[in-house]
Amino acid sequence: QSVLTQTSSVSGAPGQRVTISCTGSSSNIGAAYDVHWYQQLPGMAPKLLIYGNTNRPSGVPDRFSGSRSRTSASLAITGLQAEDEADYYCQSYDSSLSAWVFGGGTKLTVL
Amino acid sequence: DVQLVETGGGLIRPGGSLRLSCAASGLTVNNNFMSWVRQAPGKGLEWVSIIYSDGRTYYADSVKGRFTISRDNSKNTVYLQMNSLRAEDTAVFYCARATGEYYYYYYMDVWGKGTTVTVSS
Repeated sequence: QSVLTQTSSVSGAPGQRVTISCTGSSSNIGAAYDVHWYQQLPGMAPKLLIYGNTNRPSGVPDRFSGSRSRTSASLAITGLQAEDEADYYCQSYDSSLSAWVFGGGTKLTVL
Repeated sequence: DVQLVETGGGLIRPGGSLRLSCAASGLTVNNNFMSWVRQAPGKGLEWVSIIYSDGRTYYADSVKGRFTISRDNSKNTVYLQMNSLRAEDTAVFYCARATGEYYYYYYMDVWGKGTTVTVSS
């Protein structure tokens, strides 16, 4: 059971917009700790996608965006492409565990 | 170009020990916060351990007392010594650089390709 909760799967057609949610609690996201997002393509290592809730590293298309509210965060992907099919993970820090924590991951399927 | 290369994985019996290595290039390990993250087969990511630039180390509860993170500055390499291995330690282990303004803002911006550890009799 992950400390950060993500929907296990989401799907969309090419060109559509999808959102992936990440729900936490008062000891992580609710404590105003930043949320970060990673993309893991099949058989590959994770890759940083969004850091500090809303920031994109150099090279990440602006089709990817992040947001955070009180105890949750979201990753939005617009103009869905076949190459976006991957697992997506949110990550934050948890003060109760004194540990960096990940969500359980969301599998994105492009129909 | 910044690169992390993990080695040392393999098949090990329960109760055994293994040492993973993470060789860095393009960054200096003693000037960075270096972390290990693992992924069990078909499962999500789990943070395992981190070593700060000042040498402080921290561990997930699941490995505390069994795993030890260290570094060799002369080899620019980070290690993860794993003792008393259990079947549930079976995973791909990734080395990653952690960065951020303060520890509770840390994220992993550089990842290696991972090395596979299988604990089985």
